[in-house]
Amino acid sequence: DAGVTQSPTHLIKTRGQQVTLRCSPISGHKSVSWYQQVLGQGPQFIFQYYEKEERGRGNFPDRFSARQFPNYSSELNVNALLLGDSALYLCASSGRAQGAASSPLHFGNGTRLTVT
Amino acid sequence: AQSVAQPEDQVNVAEGNPLTVKCTYSVSGNPYLFWYVQYPNRGLQFLLKYITGDNLVKGSYGFEAEFNKSQTSFHLKKPSALVSDSALYFCAVRDSADTGFQKLVFGTGTRLLVSP
Repeated sequence: DAGVTQSPTHLIKTRGQQVTLRCSPISGHKSVSWYQQVLGQGPQFIFQYYEKEERGRGNFPDRFSARQFPNYSSELNVNALLLGDSALYLCASSGRAQGAASSPLHFGNGTRLTVT
Repeated sequence: AQSVAQPEDQVNVAEGNPLTVKCTYSVSGNPYLFWYVQYPNRGLQFLLKYITGDNLVKGSYGFEAEFNKSQTSFHLKKPSALVSDSALYFCAVRDSADTGFQKLVFGTGTRLLVSP
């Protein structure tokens, strides 16, 4: 079975531009989460979606938005890019319903975003 | 709010020797604890988790972790290190009371270097 897939793998953007990152969860997984990993730090939670509804949001500005589609894939959008948005963006899926806090997350390999 | 501390930026060990990677946590309720490993330019791979029960948890690739409630610690261990274990290791925590919400809080990571 395929794992979590993310596209693109690498992306270079200029300050002020907008970017869309895509994620396909493991087949059968309905929960998708997004994390930002800045070089030298641990991943930071951005969003969680379950059944197309936002279940949680981290401490990120409104420039960050996301959505989940009927097939449970997800997109993360970042507007008005800043240099500080340069990071590895990780998508993770989980097979359990909401409330299953004990379920591990399964991560994709990430999208490396560089803002110049 | 939850938090995780990984006090060592790097751990060096010779192949064949036992290894320990330290983690302490803080949550208001009961913790769900996880260890992940990250290889260069890759996402995070799940190693093991503690939810409840036996304080010694066994995971993938011969790793295990010991939960200590009084010391709020969840140290990762392996009896005999391999060169291929060299990677970045992250400890993460989730509050069991966060039903419907799967946010993980990660530590800053510990780089494990196993020398031949």
